[in-house]
Amino acid sequence: SAVISQKPSRDICQRGTSLTIQCQVDSQVTMMFWYRQQPGQSLTLIATANQGSEATYESGFVIDKFPISRPNLTFSTLTVSNMSPEDSSIYLCSVDEDTQYFGPGTRLTVL
Amino acid sequence: GIQVEQSPPDLILQEGANSTLRCNFSDSVNNLQWFHQNPWGQLINLFYIPSGTKQNGRLSATTVATERYSLLYISSSQTTDSGVYFCAVALTTDSWGKLQFGAGTQVVVTP
Repeated sequence: SAVISQKPSRDICQRGTSLTIQCQVDSQVTMMFWYRQQPGQSLTLIATANQGSEATYESGFVIDKFPISRPNLTFSTLTVSNMSPEDSSIYLCSVDEDTQYFGPGTRLTVL
Repeated sequence: GIQVEQSPPDLILQEGANSTLRCNFSDSVNNLQWFHQNPWGQLINLFYIPSGTKQNGRLSATTVATERYSLLYISSSQTTDSGVYFCAVALTTDSWGKLQFGAGTQVVVTP
């Protein structure tokens, strides 16, 4: 099973700033996924990150707001840009190896 | 997109009780998984079960793909079973890891 770590685990940020979240996997994976969980809600897929190509974004999410990097097969970053209080959520990184594994999440609060 | 409906939304159990959680989905899927999100936010994969029946300790799950539903059974519940249980699916025509989550069932097990 994959072991996934995320940094930071939590952060409090000011409106208008940006935060980059890092995701590290202990094995090489083709695809990595970024999900958002708004307070009291379920998970929503933001984008799929493939190494060597542009990320694929789901409806309602755009690259300018959530730029993603995937420099190698074990690492990805998600940036939350020009933040507003509505961006306060848990952001989770995920990989699939038949079953889906999730990182511990980054708990973001925007003031 | 595919609809994923979970019931009941909330469940309060006395320790030792049994319960059944249900997940209905609106389209053909190639991937169905059950997750437990503990009170600290960590998502744990319980079952990958696009069809058939599986058991793991006190938990078991059954998916009837032709009728588009899945059931999660919790037997002899313990306080550590508290948390939110999510059903998540991926369309047959879509990428494996692009999961659509249901709204979840909030379970509270009381001593």
